Amino acid sequence: GAVVSQHPSWVICKSGTSVKIECRSLDFQATTMFWYRQFPKQSLMLMATSNEGSKATYEQGVEKDKFLINHASLTLSTLTVTSAHPEDSSFYICSARDSGGPPSTDTQYFGPGTRLTVL
Amino acid sequence: AQSVTQLDSQVPVFEEAPVELRCNYSSSVSVYLFWYVQYPNQGLQLLLKYLSGSTLVKGINGFEAEFNKSQTSFHLRKPSVHISDTAEYFCAVSSWNTGKLIFGQGTTLQVKP
Repeated sequence: GAVVSQHPSWVICKSGTSVKIECRSLDFQATTMFWYRQFPKQSLMLMATSNEGSKATYEQGVEKDKFLINHASLTLSTLTVTSAHPEDSSFYICSARDSGGPPSTDTQYFGPGTRLTVL
Repeated sequence: AQSVTQLDSQVPVFEEAPVELRCNYSSSVSVYLFWYVQYPNQGLQLLLKYLSGSTLVKGINGFEAEFNKSQTSFHLRKPSVHISDTAEYFCAVSSWNTGKLIFGQGTTLQVKP
């Protein structure tokens, strides 16, 4: 099946620093990737939709200047948390939409997630 | 607007017993329906999906779900659970043109020996 990787799997940083998280589709091309945030014992909250070669679309309430998204190629999207603060600590999960075939194969495949802890 | 409601936050069940995890959705347009499973500190794994056609969908690990349009439900079932099925289960809805997934709150399945 389709595989999506994330790097790093966990990161600890100091308050005020920036952290970059990578999301890669390993065996398919993804024109669209999604970034989610998950708090402990809660569901996934969609942060933004990342489209290859264009600006990301952010969900209401998500600060685009704080969460920078770049989708430079069909297999890579990055999320940069700028000037991180303790309240940004969370589990960040990306997904890649495999839309290369007919609608019946249109599925989002999820990465393993990145645990961010801001001290 | 679309929404998903998972009616049970936790479902405790004994090993080898049947289980049903309930999911209801709301949408004004045609949708795709999904069930995902999440093990601790991991991403989500697709269990099954409904796009069209037969309302009974079979997925991995012995799970199945039935799409009921009149009741706007997509309940997940397994006839006999294992300890290894203990995990968080998420129901989700998406529209094919945006691809955005809207998740339910999740249901924790706790399989006891």
